[in-house]
Amino acid sequence: AQTVTQSQPEMSVQEAETVTLSCTYDTSENNYYLFWYKQPPSRQMILVIRQEAYKQQNATENRFSVNFQKAAKSFSLKISDSQLGDTAMYFCAFMNQAGTALIFGKGTTLSVSS
Amino acid sequence: GAGVSQSPRYKVTKRGQDVALRCDPISGHVSLYWYRQALGQGPEFLTYFNYEAQQDKSGLPNDRFSAERPEGSISTLTIQRTEQRDSAMYRCASSFGGSRNEQFFGPGTRLTVL
Repeated sequence: AQTVTQSQPEMSVQEAETVTLSCTYDTSENNYYLFWYKQPPSRQMILVIRQEAYKQQNATENRFSVNFQKAAKSFSLKISDSQLGDTAMYFCAFMNQAGTALIFGKGTTLSVSS
Repeated sequence: GAGVSQSPRYKVTKRGQDVALRCDPISGHVSLYWYRQALGQGPEFLTYFNYEAQQDKSGLPNDRFSAERPEGSISTLTIQRTEQRDSAMYRCASSFGGSRNEQFFGPGTRLTVL
């Protein structure tokens, strides 16, 4: 069975700084998808970024980028120029190729301060 | 609306009562997913549909939980004879399916069983 591990329960950063959130996963599949979701205090679930395992190029969305290391089964999220609005819980998630369901990590609570 | 909607947003019920939670996916989305999220944890998969067919219900915790999507659009998650341990946020998500598998989440229904 697939598992997703986020080893940092909480992180803090100041505005304009860069922060990296860690995620590792375990799977025997070769093709799959990885996601980062953001959950602000409103408890919405917002898709931040998506990565296909067959793509070597790391995904980027504005200030958000990932470092995808397939051999190491690592999928970290880098947030550049942190903003107060980035304060949220961040979940890493895995989906198999069949797209049956997302498997989530336990989350990392990120606090951005001025 | 453009997003996934869920109703009710909040539901308080007494132990032993049945509840029905509704999800209205994004128009045109083929796949619909139900998750349950405890406070401070990541969502856990319950079940999912492609069109009206329930493809996987392996995450439903017991036979008090059931879901349907009779016309391939709106879905209902029903919990019979509710127990206090059923208290959680119940989230619905939808996607186009296939390679367009990003899941977009609704606001959730917060269920409290007294």
